[in-house]
Amino acid sequence: AQSVSQHNHHVILSEAASLELGCNYSYGGTVNLFWYVQYPGQHLQLLLKYFSGDPLVKGIKGFEAEFIKSKFSFNLRKPSVQWSDTAEYFCAVRPTTSGTYKYIFGTGTRLKVLA
Amino acid sequence: NAGVTQTPKFQVLKTGQSMTLQCAQDMNHEYMSWYRQDPGMGLRLIHYSVGAGITDQGEVPNGYNVSRSTTEDFPLRLLSAAPSQTSVYFCASTRGTYNEQFFGPGTRLTVL
Repeated sequence: AQSVSQHNHHVILSEAASLELGCNYSYGGTVNLFWYVQYPGQHLQLLLKYFSGDPLVKGIKGFEAEFIKSKFSFNLRKPSVQWSDTAEYFCAVRPTTSGTYKYIFGTGTRLKVLA
Repeated sequence: NAGVTQTPKFQVLKTGQSMTLQCAQDMNHEYMSWYRQDPGMGLRLIHYSVGAGITDQGEVPNGYNVSRSTTEDFPLRLLSAAPSQTSVYFCASTRGTYNEQFFGPGTRLTVL
């Protein structure tokens, strides 16, 4: 079955530390990839997305992610986190098989940034 | 645009009661979905719709019904609430087949 794995369930960092959150998926075909963020008490918002082209994509608030096809990975990075980045982060995969419409979400990573 | 709206924001039900969670979007998106979010389990797809009059089951459809009579509205019905349905429910919509989803603010449901 198709699945998305986020290996880090909880991450605690100090402000200005660098961040990398892992995301791996199991699907052999073409996919669209997404990272969403959920701030405390809020709904999910799109951070960035990858459809095709340059595998390094930049999103909002200084986040970026790199798609490595050979590793089925789409890791999220930020060089220097801020206290306001405290949130839960979800990786999502959308297989582009025609006739289906299903986004598969990872279980999420809770990030806490200490001031 | 209001985007994706959901009502109510909070709801407490007793076991066996029924209710409808409302979802509406004003972006003329073809695709709409319902998810439930549980701690440690991420978002799981309940039902989705690819257009008015067309719905299909997701990963966890049991105990839920949906209908899509208009492009704008996609209500989720709990037929006979159970404590296992205690969760946060999110509605989402998408323009086109492969684009990003836009999420509503969620409904926090507790079933006693």
